[in-house]
Amino acid sequence: QQQVKQSPQSLIVQKGGISIINCAYENTAFDYFPWYQQFPGKGPALLIAIRPDVSEKKEGRFTISFNKSAKQFSLHIMDSQPGDSATYFCAVPQGGSEKLVFGKGTKLTVNP
Amino acid sequence: DAGVIQSPRHEVTEMGQEVTLRCKPISGHDYLFWYRQTMMRGLELLIYFNNNVPIDDSGMPEDRFSAKMPNASFSTLKIQPSEPRDSAVYFCASSHWPPGLYGYTFGSGTRLTVV
Repeated sequence: QQQVKQSPQSLIVQKGGISIINCAYENTAFDYFPWYQQFPGKGPALLIAIRPDVSEKKEGRFTISFNKSAKQFSLHIMDSQPGDSATYFCAVPQGGSEKLVFGKGTKLTVNP
Repeated sequence: DAGVIQSPRHEVTEMGQEVTLRCKPISGHDYLFWYRQTMMRGLELLIYFNNNVPIDDSGMPEDRFSAKMPNASFSTLKIQPSEPRDSAVYFCASSHWPPGLYGYTFGSGTRLTVV
């Protein structure tokens, strides 16, 4: 099973700042690359996903940037808010593309 | 829809005992996934089903683990006998096809502690 390297492990940002989380992969199926958000005591929830033939996707304050040649993609959270404090996971499609391999997660803390 | 429903939320058991975790996926979803989450290993895929048929069980750690999906609305993950290293949060997730487009919907998980 391939490795999905996510960094940083933890991130502390001031309210209003920009949070950036990176993900690198080895191999993938041709399918969407998602980011999931997890709050304590809950399961991960889909936040945003990008097709591999697109370089950037923006939804509100959340943007995915995708670099296919470098096999990297990142999540940018603009104007970070305390309510964004959670653990974020990138995921890479595998096999027939219905299977996801997750990164180890990034714990984001946004200070008020 | 009530989402993906897992039971129990918490389970504490003694080493050697049988443990059964339960999952009710969202109605109409074609895929069901079982993941295990630990601090050390993160989220690991154990097994997944498509239309109630197991497709890939390569993530199941060993023969002590088994999973079934007798119908479209119910799945179980069984550990027999349980060991302390099985302590983790176990998540069930379901999805429409294609999962990449629609995403997985996760349950709230079962926190298993084996003492």
